[in-house]
Amino acid sequence: GAVVSQHPSWVICKSGTSVKIECRSLDFQATTMFWYRQFPKQSLMLMATSNEGSKATYEQGVEKDKFLINHASLTLSTLTVTSAHPEDSSFYICSAYGVSGRIVTDTQYFGPGTRLTVL
Amino acid sequence: QKEVEQNSGPLSVPEGAIASLNCTYSDRGSQSFFWYRQYSGKSPELIMSIYSNGDKEDGRFTAQLNKASQYVSLLIRDSQPSDSATYLCAVRGSNDYKLSFGAGTTVTVRA
Repeated sequence: GAVVSQHPSWVICKSGTSVKIECRSLDFQATTMFWYRQFPKQSLMLMATSNEGSKATYEQGVEKDKFLINHASLTLSTLTVTSAHPEDSSFYICSAYGVSGRIVTDTQYFGPGTRLTVL
Repeated sequence: QKEVEQNSGPLSVPEGAIASLNCTYSDRGSQSFFWYRQYSGKSPELIMSIYSNGDKEDGRFTAQLNKASQYVSLLIRDSQPSDSATYLCAVRGSNDYKLSFGAGTTVTVRA
């Protein structure tokens, strides 16, 4: 399977600061990555689709100016939570479709997640 | 997004028993179906994928798909304490790359 990494694995920040989370595909190139958010005892909610070299596509209700996504290379997407507030505290997970040879597979592989706590 | 529903659980089974998880979806055009396992505090990991009607077996796991009934299930045979986790049903539609997830069913296997 494909390997997706995230950094940092956890972060604590003060209210009003910005936090950047990195998502990397380690052994394959990912033109498309996805960012999810998961609150305790809830399922994954897709926030946005990150497209290499173009603007991200945000899901309804997700503020694009608050959650900045940059996908500048085929192996790296970043999510920046700007002016974070306690209600942004959550588990943020990225994913990418695996690649077999030159073929993009139908399986999404998830990074290990980043737990954000905003004080 | 497409709606995906799972039996709410929690589901508690004794060690060695069969755990049965159910999932229904609303989009008839859905083509790909997945079961992910998520341990507490961790991200989801893929257990099974299924695309055609019928059964698909992989070790102690069996996925079943019935597109006419818009139903997909997961059976865990010979349940082990290490199977205790939340199981997420995910569905991908025919026209995009997005996955829609159910709320998850938490399974506890009692030793």
